[in-house]
Amino acid sequence: EADIYQTPRYLVIGTGKKITLECSQTMGHDKMYWYQQDPGMELHLIHYSYGVNSTEKGDLSSESTVSRIRTEHFPLTLESARPSHTSQYLCASSESGGGRNEQYFGPGTRLTVT
Amino acid sequence: AQSVTQLDSQVPVFEEAPVELRCNYSSSVSVYLFWYVQYPNQGLQLLLKYLSGSTLVKGINGFEAEFNKSQTSFHLRKPSVHISDTAEYFCAVTLTSYGKLTFGQGTILTVHP
Repeated sequence: EADIYQTPRYLVIGTGKKITLECSQTMGHDKMYWYQQDPGMELHLIHYSYGVNSTEKGDLSSESTVSRIRTEHFPLTLESARPSHTSQYLCASSESGGGRNEQYFGPGTRLTVT
Repeated sequence: AQSVTQLDSQVPVFEEAPVELRCNYSSSVSVYLFWYVQYPNQGLQLLLKYLSGSTLVKGINGFEAEFNKSQTSFHLRKPSVHISDTAEYFCAVTLTSYGKLTFGQGTILTVHP
């Protein structure tokens, strides 16, 4: 069983609010990822990190930002939420060692911006 | 860059029937291939993965997949499905060096009694 946690699970918030989606893992994984998933669509990578103080933007452009100050923690922040940000956000982590290591996923945060 | 195509967006089947979920990929270099399952309101769980070696890969819950390099396919199969297999299934590929996954669009498997 993977030990990766996301809070909150569900969030409904008004336009213009600042929000932070939390992601933590207790497996000591170096690599962490954020994906955005719209209903009926594939997952798109929006941010990833290969270690502390390392963050990169993913394949899908996103107005969110991330930080990686501790190995176990990889929060995602939206400075000013908009209805277009409504989606499900999934966090994942994996060991180092190239692509052969599977990614473990958290349960996701379903965000609705009104 | 790699890409993944899942050929069926929805697959309805009856309980105890066999099922195949199709996945094709494109890449100019060697890749690793994965199948994940997502139950409602949950994250993704790994079913199986192909890294190298035998082209027939067995996973959890009775699923298996076969890697076919000439057809660039990685189809998922189960000989007899259960109601509890109802979920969305994602095929994914990653290049050997990096680890960033590229996902297919997903296939919703619905098992009817």
